[in-house]
Amino acid sequence: TQLLEQSPQFLSIQEGENLTVYCNSSSVFSSLQWYRQEPGEGPVLLVTVVTGGEVKKLKRLTFQFGDARKDSSLHITAAQPGDTGLYLCAGARGSARQLTFGSGTQLTVLP
Amino acid sequence: GAVVSQHPSRVICKSGTSVKIECRSLDFQATTMFWYRQFPKKSLMLMATSNEGSKATYEQGVEKDKFLINHASLTLSTLTVTSAHPEDSSFYICSAHGNLVRNEQFFGPGTRLTVL
Repeated sequence: TQLLEQSPQFLSIQEGENLTVYCNSSSVFSSLQWYRQEPGEGPVLLVTVVTGGEVKKLKRLTFQFGDARKDSSLHITAAQPGDTGLYLCAGARGSARQLTFGSGTQLTVLP
Repeated sequence: GAVVSQHPSRVICKSGTSVKIECRSLDFQATTMFWYRQFPKKSLMLMATSNEGSKATYEQGVEKDKFLINHASLTLSTLTVTSAHPEDSSFYICSAHGNLVRNEQFFGPGTRLTVL
């Protein structure tokens, strides 16, 4: 059973379109991270959210942590081919150092 | 941001040989490092938690005698795949725990292992 469910699993869109990726769980997380990974490379940290209801913006990317700290979303505005990659959410529970990773969303932005 | 390196970036070996992968935190000290395995277009699967100065903690289903982990210093953890077989071929990624408050992990660039 995947503790963190990501949807959609695959997403292929045209340049300029908007998209939202969801990360859902029945568990509460003390913090949640979003990573982006390109083929043959390690994941790169995009953002960390720690407070319920928190919204963070990173240029065209908007991240939101759910009020109950059980879910999160990533919204990309006007997607560009450079946004193509595997997006991973990962949550930490309590004081544990291990991260629980979501199943991943493979995004392809077509020019 | 914190930088984590891995070496080698890719390795090809014959079945039955052992392969060592190094993970280094370059600009910070990491008492805890993690080793993951990743299959194509899939998420990361945690293999083990590497603690400096103590034994690693392995996830269920991961053979500790197969995947030897050593974390001898605050900046270096090694993963040795012993008696490698073709089914061990995978992308291995390490991460270092870099922020105690925000529980952030910083990842290495990964090692592509191919066992012939």
